[in-house]
Amino acid sequence: EDKVVQSPLSLVVHEGDTVTLNCSYEVTNFRSLLWYKQEKKAPTFLFMLTSSGIEKKSGRLSSILDKKELFSILNITATQTGDSAIYLCATGTASKLTFGTGTRLQVTL
Amino acid sequence: SAVISQKPSRDICQRGTSLTIQCQVDSQVTMMFWYRQQPGQSLTLIATANQGSEATYESGFVIDKFPISRPNLTFSTLTVSNMSPEDSSIYLCSVSLGLPQETQYFGPGTRLLVL
Repeated sequence: EDKVVQSPLSLVVHEGDTVTLNCSYEVTNFRSLLWYKQEKKAPTFLFMLTSSGIEKKSGRLSSILDKKELFSILNITATQTGDSAIYLCATGTASKLTFGTGTRLQVTL
Repeated sequence: SAVISQKPSRDICQRGTSLTIQCQVDSQVTMMFWYRQQPGQSLTLIATANQGSEATYESGFVIDKFPISRPNLTFSTLTVSNMSPEDSSIYLCSVSLGLPQETQYFGPGTRLLVL
């Protein structure tokens, strides 16, 4: 059975801090790893990673994949209160996404 | 990306009744998906909605409980039948726009409470 595990489950940081969110996986027919941000109901797409060691960046967010050790990290620098959300990682095969349980991030003033 | 709408955005229903959720996309898409997110849980795929054929259901989900229609390439419905309080969840549709196939974009979701 495919498994995606995220850690920590929840995190509280102060504005300006840097955070690292972790995602490990055991998936057959792995093709990609995706990160989403969920603030209310709808997850919004952040990154898709397919190759090991190549960092993807978007503003203060960055992510990297290690296909040998089967994990990915999502970094957020200089956090802001608007970064408060649940961050979901998912593994992608040709036919479906399998989601982890998510990391709930709260950024306080 | 695509503009995806869902109706209703939320509902409160009595047990034993059924609710049909609609998902509309502003462009033609090959693949549409339906997910459930129970309180405090992550997203679980219910089924893939195939245009012109029956939906493909994941383990633990059956057509009698969650019938799905996909009449064209821009629209799908999910019905939650004979509801019980355990069906209280957020229901989300998503679409894949093609390449890369794995990237899915989500609708705004339907929050369902069953009393």
